[in-house]
Amino acid sequence: DTGVSQNPRHKITKRGQNVTFRCDPISEHNRLYWYRQTLGQGPEFLTYFQNEAQLEKSRLLSDRFSAERPKGSFSTLEIQRTEQGDSAMYLCASRVAGTGGTEAFFGQGTRLTVV
Amino acid sequence: GNSVTQMEGPVTLSEEAFLTINCTYTATGYPSLFWYVQYPGEGLQLLLKATKADDKGSNKGFEATYRKETTSFHLEKGSVQVSDSAVYFCALSDRNDYKLSFGAGTTVTVRA
Repeated sequence: DTGVSQNPRHKITKRGQNVTFRCDPISEHNRLYWYRQTLGQGPEFLTYFQNEAQLEKSRLLSDRFSAERPKGSFSTLEIQRTEQGDSAMYLCASRVAGTGGTEAFFGQGTRLTVV
Repeated sequence: GNSVTQMEGPVTLSEEAFLTINCTYTATGYPSLFWYVQYPGEGLQLLLKATKADDKGSNKGFEATYRKETTSFHLEKGSVQVSDSAVYFCALSDRNDYKLSFGAGTTVTVRA
C-alpha cells in the first residue's frame, strides 16, 4: 500500500507521560501536515513541513509539542507531559507542493487517550 | 483568517432521498474548496473539489459548485444510499501553503 501510514493507530497513556507518533507520507510528496481532530469537530491544523523544513506552527501547538521530519521523509510528533486535553485523533496528510488543486492524502490517524 | 461553516447535523434520511449539506466560507484570496468524507472506522478521503469560481466538482453522484458571489460550496446528491452514511467535511485550502481549514463536519445516516 502506498498511502499515508500512521503508527500507532491507538495509544493510551497516563497523564504526564511522553508520547511519540510517526507518519510515513506518500513517497514523492514533499509537503507533510499534522492535524488534530477532537470529537465532533473538524480537523485543526497543527504544523507542516516542506521536505525537512518546518514552515509553520499553529498557536495550538504548545511548547509541549514538537514535530520533526529529519530527512524529508517520515515525520514524528512528540507530546511531552501529556494532559487529558491532549486526547484526540492526530492526523497526518501529505501532498505535492506547487499544485493548488491537488488533494492532500490523509492517513488513518493515531487516536490518543490520556487517562 | 480562513474559516468554514457547515450545516450542523446529524442528518437522517431514507434511501433514495435528496441530500444537501450547506457550506459557506470566509477566506482571503481565492481558495480551493473541497468536500472530504469519513466513513465509519476509516480515514478522511477526498470526495470532490473545485479550484475556481463556478467550477463544479462531482464524484459518486455527489456535486458541489464553487459560488464566489455567495462564498458557498453546498454538497448535493439526488438519491442517497445506505452506503453514503458517513461524516462529511467541507474544507478550503489556501493557495500559498495549501493547509486545510475544515468545517465541523455533518454526520449523515441513511436508513434502508
